[in-house]
Amino acid sequence: QSMLTQPPSVSAAPGQKVTISCSGSRSNIGNNYVSWYQHLPGTAPKLLIYQNNQRPSGIPDRFSGSKSGTSATLGITGLQTGDEADYYCGTWDSRLSVGVFGGGTKLTVL
Amino acid sequence: QVRLQESGPGLVKPSQTLSLTCTVSGGSIKSGGYYWNWIRQHPGKGLEWIGNIYYSGRTYYNPSLKSRVSISVDTSKNQFSLRLTSVTAADTAIYYCARGNFIVVEPAGIWFDSWGQGTLVTVSS
Repeated sequence: QSMLTQPPSVSAAPGQKVTISCSGSRSNIGNNYVSWYQHLPGTAPKLLIYQNNQRPSGIPDRFSGSKSGTSATLGITGLQTGDEADYYCGTWDSRLSVGVFGGGTKLTVL
Repeated sequence: QVRLQESGPGLVKPSQTLSLTCTVSGGSIKSGGYYWNWIRQHPGKGLEWIGNIYYSGRTYYNPSLKSRVSISVDTSKNQFSLRLTSVTAADTAIYYCARGNFIVVEPAGIWFDSWGQGTLVTVSS
């Protein structure tokens, strides 16, 4: 059971927008920075968002992150078939002193 | 651009010790203030943070694994390593090494900007 809760799956059509939620508690998301990763099976996960809403160089602005209270959201606009992947949120839990991830969300681009 | 590569046995017997090494290229393991991490993914499951190490040797471990895990660093070889003792089938997973940015004081954070490709370790007799 992950400390961070994500929907198991989301789907949308090419060109559309999708959001993926990540819910936690005060000791993790509430007080700390959230990051987001894209993971295609058999490959290395890729960092999409760090410190809640910052994009590493090379990540297109179609990807965005936000945080409110104990929840965070990843937004993806202009969906492409190449965006089909698993997406994970992550953060630090200060109460347990542990890095934590969400259970992952599978994005399907219909 | 930094690159990370995991290496080690793909098959470990139950009750034995899992040992993996991550070789860092394209940058020094001593520079940039980074922490060097191990993360695993059980088959069909999500990601689990195992622990990390700073080049000085300072470590942080997942409490759920702390009694069995040890992470070490060899700055002369630009490598860091994972040891997990008394393994069971539940330790079968893909193991990733990753470079991490780590802030321990709130607002704290840990994020991983470079990852290895991962290596599958199966625990079986």
